Amino acid sequence: KAGVTQTPRYLIKTRGQQVTLSCSPISGHRSVSWYQQTPGQGLQFLFEYFSETQRNKGNFPGRFSGRQFSNSRSEMNVSTLELGDSALYLCASSLSAGATDTQYFGPGTRLTVL
Amino acid sequence: GQQLNQSPQSMFIQEGEDVSMNCTSSSIFNTWLWYKQEPGEGPVLLIALYKAGELTSNGRLTAQFGITRKDSFLNISASIPSDVGIYFCAGQPPPGGGADGLTFGKGTHLIIQP
Repeated sequence: KAGVTQTPRYLIKTRGQQVTLSCSPISGHRSVSWYQQTPGQGLQFLFEYFSETQRNKGNFPGRFSGRQFSNSRSEMNVSTLELGDSALYLCASSLSAGATDTQYFGPGTRLTVL
Repeated sequence: GQQLNQSPQSMFIQEGEDVSMNCTSSSIFNTWLWYKQEPGEGPVLLIALYKAGELTSNGRLTAQFGITRKDSFLNISASIPSDVGIYFCAGQPPPGGGADGLTFGKGTHLIIQP
């Protein structure tokens, strides 16, 4: 079974631009969560989607948004990019939402904001 | 929000030695997970723990879910060069626990000297 895939793997943008990242979950998984990883803050939860609905949201500004499609694929968008948005963005999928299902991570998208 | 204290921050050990790392929390978790991350990749799940007191092994890895539900440890026996990487603990709070998504520790960077 294929794992979680994320595209693109690397991205360079400039301040003020916006960016869209894509995540395809493991086949059969319906929940997708997004995380931001930086050297200073570590791994931080962004949001979780299940059945095309956002279930949970972390403590990030409204510039960070996401959506999930009927095939469970998910996208996250960051508008008006700031230098501090440079990070590895990780997507994780699980069978369903909630505390009991284990999340499996993709390789991430490395975003650099210049 | 919830905080996970993971220690040690880094370990320099000789090949063949045993390794021990742990995570503690100020509040309880329903699930404890241990991940390993290598450069340029997303975290890979090593062990998942779902019940207080549970002790689970995966090859040379052993992890335990603390009785108080506020801590967990990971042991690696007879370390080998491919064990190098960053190990993260992660906890999933109970429903309504006030935190969203997985909460991650800052990681333990394992370096093995031949």
